[in-house]
Amino acid sequence: GAGVSQSPSNKVTEKGKDVELRCDPISGHTALYWYRQSLGQGLEFLIYFQGNSAPDKSGLPSDRFSAERTGGSVSTLTIQRTQQEDSAVYLCASRSRAGSETQYFGPGTRLLVL
Amino acid sequence: KQEVTQIPAALSVPEGENLVLNCSFTDSAIYNLQWFRQDPGKGLTSLLLIQSSQREQTSGRLNASLDKSSGRSTLYIAASQPGDSATYLCAVRPYGANSKLTFGKGITLSVRP
Repeated sequence: GAGVSQSPSNKVTEKGKDVELRCDPISGHTALYWYRQSLGQGLEFLIYFQGNSAPDKSGLPSDRFSAERTGGSVSTLTIQRTQQEDSAVYLCASRSRAGSETQYFGPGTRLLVL
Repeated sequence: KQEVTQIPAALSVPEGENLVLNCSFTDSAIYNLQWFRQDPGKGLTSLLLIQSSQREQTSGRLNASLDKSSGRSTLYIAASQPGDSATYLCAVRPYGANSKLTFGKGITLSVRP
């Protein structure tokens, strides 16, 4: 079946604008993660959704960042009033609840804030 | 706070060489450890996952070992090929319901023909 997809693949925006990044997980996967990969910083966890449970937002860097997952499937990461330091690759991953520990990653959205 | 370190940041080897990539972590209370591969401009692909109770996992030319007590893992690549050129990341998962991963910064491998 299809893997994790993300859109857009690239996004250039001006400082101060809001952006929305989308993630379509693998069908049937109940767990969904957002990570950020910044140059020189490595991958850092942002937020985690598991089924209908309250999301773990402990990795969100500021209140400008938010995410939602509708219907237990598609997720949207929103960054308000973007700053230049938000420039990074935003990666989404999903995992099946049924025993597997492996997280399957999407190709990422490359965000550049000018 | 868990910290994952991968040294060196980059490695260049001639084709055919056997090589070892190292990963260390500060908190040994991990549930599992994964090795991922990332090609330029792409997402991550899971290579091997080692549960905390396991010592090693093998897939083809890849072998990953885990020494939880010393906080170390190695990824062994046998008979390296130019197609192995990529960034290799290790990540650890803690115990608990939240399975978020803590990643190292990766080792960028270049295999010269």
